[in-house]
Amino acid sequence: EAQVTQNPRYLITVTGKKLTVTCSQNMNHEYMSWYRQDPGLGLRQIYYSMNVEVTDKGDVPEGYKVSRKEKRNFPLILESPSPNQTSLYFCASSSRHGEQYFGPGTRLTVT
Amino acid sequence: QQQVKQSPQSLIVQKGGISIINCAYENTAFDYFPWYQQFPGKGPALLIAIRPDVSEKKEGRFTISFNKSAKQFSLHIMDSQPGDSATYFCAASMENAGKSTFGDGTTLTVKP
Repeated sequence: EAQVTQNPRYLITVTGKKLTVTCSQNMNHEYMSWYRQDPGLGLRQIYYSMNVEVTDKGDVPEGYKVSRKEKRNFPLILESPSPNQTSLYFCASSSRHGEQYFGPGTRLTVT
Repeated sequence: QQQVKQSPQSLIVQKGGISIINCAYENTAFDYFPWYQQFPGKGPALLIAIRPDVSEKKEGRFTISFNKSAKQFSLHIMDSQPGDSATYFCAASMENAGKSTFGDGTTLTVKP
């Protein structure tokens, strides 16, 4: 089954404690992205990758890091999480031609 | 500066009615305009998409109307059903570019 998986699905952490949210896709897609979803603000792109070792900033990259060492994986790293990073996070993948496939989401709470 | 503006924020429609959601974009380099549907607790899923070489695309009860000169596009849901109750997002991007911009979303409620 074609899918994008994210782990963990739910995470409660404290300010400053480094965390990683993993994302993996099995569709051999070149493109992958991370988004955060906040009420009334839609989906805002954090980072995206157009291929292995190629990443670029989206609209809200501050406080986040990513890496793309393998085509199927695109982890999101929060080196020092803060409460304003409490949000619902989605990973997505796509081919060059547009349609994005989204993962199930990771709900992060930073206290 | 928000590059994709979506309206309305919320919409209530009677079963069988027409739901209309509008989006306007700024960047004329955008060449791919999808609509995504999101149910509570799920990730968004592609509903229908259009490229600027056509003015309308229809898939079942869902139609995108595209006005290139006005830089606007809209989603029409005909014969709306309670199962269509969800949040809808428009988006815009450039093909072969990884950056995508989404609207703020519209919460649609279809009353039985």
